[in-house]
Amino acid sequence: AQKVTQAQTEISVVEKEDVTLDCVYETRDTTYYLFWYKQPPSGELVFLIRRNSFDEQNEISGRYSWNFQKSTSSFNFTITASQVVDSAVYFCALSEVIYNQGGKLIFGQGTELSVKP
Amino acid sequence: DAGVIQSPRHEVTEMGQEVTLRCKPISGHNSLFWYRQTMMRGLELLIYFNNNVPIDDSGMPEDRFSAKMPNASFSTLKIQPSEPRDSAVYFCASSDRDRDHEQYFGPGTRLTVT
Repeated sequence: AQKVTQAQTEISVVEKEDVTLDCVYETRDTTYYLFWYKQPPSGELVFLIRRNSFDEQNEISGRYSWNFQKSTSSFNFTITASQVVDSAVYFCALSEVIYNQGGKLIFGQGTELSVKP
Repeated sequence: DAGVIQSPRHEVTEMGQEVTLRCKPISGHNSLFWYRQTMMRGLELLIYFNNNVPIDDSGMPEDRFSAKMPNASFSTLKIQPSEPRDSAVYFCASSDRDRDHEQYFGPGTRLTVT
């Protein structure tokens, strides 16, 4: 069965600190996608990144970076120099890939990040 | 392009009433998903469609829930009769499975059943 675990329920940091959100996944599939979504207090779900299982290169986008390691089944998310606007719940998700069919997302329980000024 | 559109944004109804949630996916997307978010269960998939055909409805809680996608630009999720435990935020998402599998979410419908 597929499963995503975000062990950190809540994290609180002070502005400008770096913070890493952990994500560990389980799947028997050899082909899959991993995602991160942000849910700010307003409630919408904002897509941040998608990574496929064949691409283990780390990715950086501005203050955001992602570390994908298949050996440890982890897909961690780091925010550098955090800002108050980063305060949100962050979800890691796993998607199976079925030929010619969309894949459903299996979400972790989310990590609530609070960035204090 | 407009994102995924959901209506209504908020719905308050009494137990036993029928509730219909609506979703318009992003134009050109061929997969549509209905998710539910609760404090207890987090985000969970209810059902998804490919090319308007239901593919996986294993997450639909019970027969009180039904979903349809009569065409590529419209889907409904119906609860009849509604119960207080159905109170949740219901999200619709769409994706282009032939391109990138990225699911884009609507703003959600917050349902309260009293």
